[in-house]
Amino acid sequence: GQSLEQPSEVTAVEGAIVQINCTYQTSGFYGLSWYQQHDGGAPTFLSYNALDGLEETGRFSSFLSRSDSYGYLLLQELQMKDSASYFCAAYHSGAGSYQLTFGKGTKLSVIP
Amino acid sequence: GAVVSQHPSWVICKSGTSVKIECRSLDFQATTMFWYRQFPKQSLMLMATSNEGSKATYEQGVEKDKFLINHASLTLSTLTVTSAHPEDSSFYICSARDAPSGRSLYEQYFGPGTRLTVT
Repeated sequence: GQSLEQPSEVTAVEGAIVQINCTYQTSGFYGLSWYQQHDGGAPTFLSYNALDGLEETGRFSSFLSRSDSYGYLLLQELQMKDSASYFCAAYHSGAGSYQLTFGKGTKLSVIP
Repeated sequence: GAVVSQHPSWVICKSGTSVKIECRSLDFQATTMFWYRQFPKQSLMLMATSNEGSKATYEQGVEKDKFLINHASLTLSTLTVTSAHPEDSSFYICSARDAPSGRSLYEQYFGPGTRLTVT
């Protein structure tokens, strides 16, 4: 089976840096994605790591270590609008196609 | 670019009736579409994967006769919840993947979701 573990909640101060960790156990693993979801909305793509290392996209960075089955999402210069749920998702082979399996999500609360 | 729409946004139906949800890729051709359901404050659970012109592949535990999926064209997939019951009340989200090349190989574009309430 596929499973991903991430903290359920994180609180951070506006302007600070926060790291959301994700560990996974996945067969047929290709890479790790991160998605943001605001309450009542659809998930939006943030990043994808296929190789070990750090990928940076503006204020967001994502890291993957395939040997440790571990990744994290780093959010810098936090803004109030960053308050949302963040899901790590493993991209892997599935029934006839590539699939995403999502973690349970981390609810990030940014406080003034 | 890469916009996915869903219709309706929310629907309330009576127990025993059927509900159809449409998922459309507006500016690209979706070779593969996925259907997820999400309960409040929980993760997205993949229900099925559909490729245009072929039968959907359902995840374990998902009743294919209850959740009918049709991917009739490269821009449209439908999910029909048949004989809906209150436990089917959930947030249903579709996603689509563009032609398998480059970044689009792993990036899925999500629709805004459909909130189904069965009374």
